[in-house]
Formats: sequence, structure tokens, C-alpha cells
Amino acid sequence: AQSVTQLDSQVPVFEEAPVELRCNYSSSVSVYLFWYVQYPNQGLQLLLKYLSGSTLVKGINGFEAEFNKSQTSFHLRKPSVHISDTAEYFCAVPNAGNNRKLIWGLGTSLAVNP
Amino acid sequence: DARVTQTPRDKVTEMGQEVTMRCQPILGHNTVFWYRQTMMQGLELLAYFRNRAPLDDSGMPKDRFSAEMPDATLATLKIQPSEPRDSAVYFCASGLGWGSTEAFFGQGTRLTVV
Repeated sequence: AQSVTQLDSQVPVFEEAPVELRCNYSSSVSVYLFWYVQYPNQGLQLLLKYLSGSTLVKGINGFEAEFNKSQTSFHLRKPSVHISDTAEYFCAVPNAGNNRKLIWGLGTSLAVNP
Repeated sequence: DARVTQTPRDKVTEMGQEVTMRCQPILGHNTVFWYRQTMMQGLELLAYFRNRAPLDDSGMPKDRFSAEMPDATLATLKIQPSEPRDSAVYFCASGLGWGSTEAFFGQGTRLTVV
């Protein structure tokens, strides 16, 4: 069965600093990978996804993620964060099998401080 | 601007009362998901529907929870009787499938059972 591990529950960072949010997955089949963002009191919103092709995926709001098959990772990065990036970030992978429902990480809370 | 609409946004109810949460998926989407989010458990999939048929509700406590789609524009999640441990934010999401496709989330219903 698939699983997703987000290695950091909280990441504090200063404005304009770079940030990396880590995600590792386990999968025995072809992998799709997603990052979603949840702003305070909002639903989740797709940030970016990897389906195939280039391992470097660019998403909205200046975020990007790199799929690394050998390390089974899909870390999210941004070179310079803003206060408005403060949110909860979730990594997810579809379950193998017929249902293919998403398996979610527990989330990483990014707090951007001035 | 197509979006998933959930009502109510907030609900406070007494233990033992019935609670009904409603969701209007994005027009044309054929897959609807119900999620529950808590600090302790994170994001949990309760049920999902494809073309209005329930495909998987294994994440839902069967004795008190029920999910239905009376028509393509309405999904409901009912709790009867409600208990304090049901306090959470309940999200509805819709999409055109699963696996490689994006799920669009509503803003959630914050349920507090006292």
C-alpha cells in the first residue's frame, strides 16, 4: 500500500528566505504526486502535481517540486517566501488498485515571519 | 468562477442531535469526496461517489454517518446522533475522476458538538 510521510510538522521561516518542505512516499507502482495548500479557514487547493515527464514541476505562487525516484521523494521548494505563503501544505499520492483514492500526508505548517 | 459550495460554514450542535452537511459540486464533475480534518488525525477520507454511486465509504462510521447524492448537484453527509468526537472540519471535494486528476475543495463545514 502507498504511504506518504511529511518529515516536518512545522517549518518557521523568515520572509524572503528560501524554504523546502519535505515529502517521502512509498509506492510499488507508477507514481503520481501532488502538493496541496490550505490557507487559514479555507479548503485545500492544488499547488502542483507530477504525472510524468520532467522531474522538476512548477506550480502556482512560485513553488516547485522535484520528483526523485531513487530517493522516493517529492520535496516542495520556493526560493523566496512571502508572508502570504503562511499555510498548511499537504503531500498526496493516489493509492494503487482500483479505487485510487488519494493518500495524504499529515501536513506541514509553514509560518512565514517578517 | 466554478467552485464547490458547502453549507453551513459553521455548525454548533448539542450531543445527540442530527447534523446534515450539504455540498454542491462543480457542475460537470462526476466524482465527489467527503473528508474530515482534525488536528489529531489530519485529513481522512470518509466516502466518495462516482456518477452519484457510492464507491467507497469504508472510512465512515456506519452506525451514525451516512452520505448520499440525491442528484448530481447535491451531496449530503449526515450524522445521527452526533457526538463530541465528531467535532472537526468536514470538506467536500469534486473532480472528474481520481488518480491523476485534481480535486477541487469546498471551504469546509466546521462542526462543533458540545
